[in-house]
Amino acid sequence: GESVGLHLPTLSVQEGDNSIINCAYSNSASDYFIWYKQESGKGPQFIIDIRSNMDKRQGQRVTVLLNKTVKHLSLQIAATQPGDSAVYFCAENKGGATNKLIFGTGTLLAVQP
Amino acid sequence: NAGVTQTPKFRVLKTGQSMTLLCAQDMNHEYMYWYRQDPGMGLRLIHYSVGEGTTAKGEVPDGYNVSRLKKQNFLLGLESAAPSQTSVYFCASSSNRVGANVLTFGAGSRLTVL
Repeated sequence: GESVGLHLPTLSVQEGDNSIINCAYSNSASDYFIWYKQESGKGPQFIIDIRSNMDKRQGQRVTVLLNKTVKHLSLQIAATQPGDSAVYFCAENKGGATNKLIFGTGTLLAVQP
Repeated sequence: NAGVTQTPKFRVLKTGQSMTLLCAQDMNHEYMYWYRQDPGMGLRLIHYSVGEGTTAKGEVPDGYNVSRLKKQNFLLGLESAAPSQTSVYFCASSSNRVGANVLTFGAGSRLTVL
């Protein structure tokens, strides 16, 4: 809900601009890195994932970049829209047979009209 | 399809009381998870299940118990609630395909322990 946004890093962008949300991860052994979007009052929703042997993956209006050298993950959103306003979480899938995801603390994206 | 349904959506407890959160999914998913979400801390995995009759501990299991008696249901229990368990709880489910990173989440259950 609304309280999720408190104490979070915030990125404020103008409608139509591109957004870049960053995430640092700790586990080099993770098989997948994933981005989730959480709108106010809702559960997280899957956006896009990238396998650890890839550097870049594109979706519809979104691109995920993985830099394993510096353990950095980013989500780029093209032509940001008001509906993109949400908290964005990166997550790691540490592999194995359970698909357990470990989530980061999140970034609040605020789109200004 | 309803996806993942959590009940109740809101609950206020007194310290020491017990309660159960119910999660139901209609997607025939093998895997189910319970996360808690606190301000500034993201989602933390409490317990998870890889199939009917099986459960396992996540990152923060203390103070919680779970049961998966039916494939479609995953229950989270608090035997003796503490103020530190005030949080928003999310249930999720996924297929058992390796690398299935698409977890379907419920809308959350907000629990306040006084």
